[in-house]
Amino acid sequence: SAVISQKPSRDICQRGTSLTIQCQVDSQVTMMFWYRQQPGQSLTLIATANQGSEATYESGFVIDKFPISRPNLTFSTLTVSNMSPEDSSIYLCSVKGTVNEKLFFGSGTQLSVL
Amino acid sequence: DAKTTQPTSMDCAEGRAANLPCNHSTISGNEYVYWYRQIHSQGPQYIIHGLKNNETNEMASLIITEDRKSSTLILPHATLRDTAVYYCIVRVGLNSGNTPLVFGKGTRLSVIA
Repeated sequence: SAVISQKPSRDICQRGTSLTIQCQVDSQVTMMFWYRQQPGQSLTLIATANQGSEATYESGFVIDKFPISRPNLTFSTLTVSNMSPEDSSIYLCSVKGTVNEKLFFGSGTQLSVL
Repeated sequence: DAKTTQPTSMDCAEGRAANLPCNHSTISGNEYVYWYRQIHSQGPQYIIHGLKNNETNEMASLIITEDRKSSTLILPHATLRDTAVYYCIVRVGLNSGNTPLVFGKGTRLSVIA
């Protein structure tokens, strides 16, 4: 199994600021995925983070708003830029296990924007 | 990936079996059925997956109909800690590609003492 550490676990931010969320995995993984979960809703995929190339964003999400870095095979960051209250959500990173069919998730970052 | 239909919510008495249904009538031959659950304030947790045969592990059993158009996740002896949102997802095997899981709304299971 893959152990995923996400930081921060929660934060309260002011409108117009940016927050960078870190995702650290205890093993090398090819793909990392970033999801958003708005209050009371299911998970929505933001983007797929590839090591050594630009992330692939889903419809409705853009790089200027959610820039992603993937400097190596165990680490990724997601930045939520120029935040507004509508960005208040849980943000989760996910990775695929290297030898099995499972996807593993971090515990998430609870973001509240005032 | 094929879409799934699940009941919005279900209740189950503690100690009884919880049977969570999922319809996936448009599933393709190479698509698996995955089940994940999300306990409040945590990230989703893998439970089980299968292609066409029934599967069992330490957490649950997965029963897939012969035509593969529906399946049932069974928690044999539900406990209060099984209270969570359960997601049924169909997609090609993860080792067949790097596409992520697409989550529907899931079933909110409440285990009652």
